[in-house]
Amino acid sequence: GAVVSQHPSRVICKSGTSVKIECRSLDFQATTMFWYRQFPKQSLMLMATSNEGSKATYEQGVEKDKFLINHASLTLSTLTVTSAHPEDSSFYICSACRDPGTYEQYFGPGTRLTVT
Amino acid sequence: AQTVTQSQPEMSVQEAETVTLSCTYDTSESNYYLFWYKQPPSRQMILVIRQEAYKQQNATENRFSVNFQKAAKSFSLKISDSQLGDTAMYFCAFINYGGSQGNLIFGKGTKLSVKP
Repeated sequence: GAVVSQHPSRVICKSGTSVKIECRSLDFQATTMFWYRQFPKQSLMLMATSNEGSKATYEQGVEKDKFLINHASLTLSTLTVTSAHPEDSSFYICSACRDPGTYEQYFGPGTRLTVT
Repeated sequence: AQTVTQSQPEMSVQEAETVTLSCTYDTSESNYYLFWYKQPPSRQMILVIRQEAYKQQNATENRFSVNFQKAAKSFSLKISDSQLGDTAMYFCAFINYGGSQGNLIFGKGTKLSVKP
């Protein structure tokens, strides 16, 4: 199998605080993980590509200092939303590539972030 | 620019019937993969089927099959013997590889409802 987990599944935080979301590949090692954001009834928007042991690659328009990504090991990537504001409320999904040659991504179950 | 277009925002089908979801894409690359992902109400993204562009034979996975027309840049998904559990958002996605690997690009999705 290729299982990817995310924690937490739901989080509510107050405006101005920071929130960390974890993405783990449970039964495989992933040198590359991806972070997406999904607005209601819309498609997935790639935020950044997380590479183990190096800096993340951010998509145009995504603030690096606001969305901090750390890929500390081959099975864990974290996304920290710093100084969260209500407009950061969204569904965040991570994915991991198990077999680089197939370019097939396995997705986590997502994290619903609500900033009050 | 690489784009993926799903022209059917919503579709419905009776249980046990067959339904086809449309997808077209635009790219100047010759090496790429195409995917169909399913996102049920749980929001978990699940890979349904994958097609390598260099393969002429259409991919099949049990009740799911594709009609891949490379020249027309078309990649439709056929679901046979539809089941209630097939109710979900379906996203067509594309990724190129080779000289410079691109990112996974998603269409806007088709909401499929299977009716009893």
